[in-house]
Amino acid sequence: EAEVAQSPRYKITEKSQAVAFWCDPISGHATLYWYRQILGQGPELLVQFQDESVVDDSQLPKDRFSAERLKGVDSTLKIQPAELGDSAMYLCASRGPEEKLFFGSGTQLSVL
Amino acid sequence: DQQVKQNSPSLSVQEGRISILNCDYTNSMFDYFLWYKKYPAEGPTFLISISSIKDKNEDGRFTVFLNKSAKHLSLHIVPSQPGDSAVYFCAAKGNQGGKLIFGQGTELSVKP
Repeated sequence: EAEVAQSPRYKITEKSQAVAFWCDPISGHATLYWYRQILGQGPELLVQFQDESVVDDSQLPKDRFSAERLKGVDSTLKIQPAELGDSAMYLCASRGPEEKLFFGSGTQLSVL
Repeated sequence: DQQVKQNSPSLSVQEGRISILNCDYTNSMFDYFLWYKKYPAEGPTFLISISSIKDKNEDGRFTVFLNKSAKHLSLHIVPSQPGDSAVYFCAAKGNQGGKLIFGQGTELSVKP
């Protein structure tokens, strides 16, 4: 069964450093999402792409976060500079039939 | 402003018994509801969904009930198994954009 691929699985960085996460959605899925999940809370949407276009980035902290999906396939989420409060799991998802979102395994970020 | 709420952070059930997980929402424009299951250090996996035009959907041991007048949905697991132990997220989709809004999650523990 096709899966959403994410890397790295784990990332430890120091505050003020730059980090980047990569996602490859299920082939043919035009809609891609980046969510952030803080322990004890539900996932919260950071950015939504339709093909290469941003549909919703209203919750993305644009002073430090950026996201791109240049060719409408894989996507990169970047944080620069990282802050202590950015420690969380970053989840990528793509949308399939019947409104289902398929999630990757996530990137667990720890900022020291 | 929490549009989707899961008011029970945890639930403990004996193996073989029924598990009932609850979810409340505030936005009457939500038209699709989904339940996801999440193990530690993994991404959420889709479990079951229901359209707002239905009041029940069943898939094996899992049944989701929707009460639109009360803005409430519930997930029933019968019989519960130790492998069901995980965090369960309720999610709702609005009729614009397709993004899912998640509740805070309920951690289910099924004891042998």
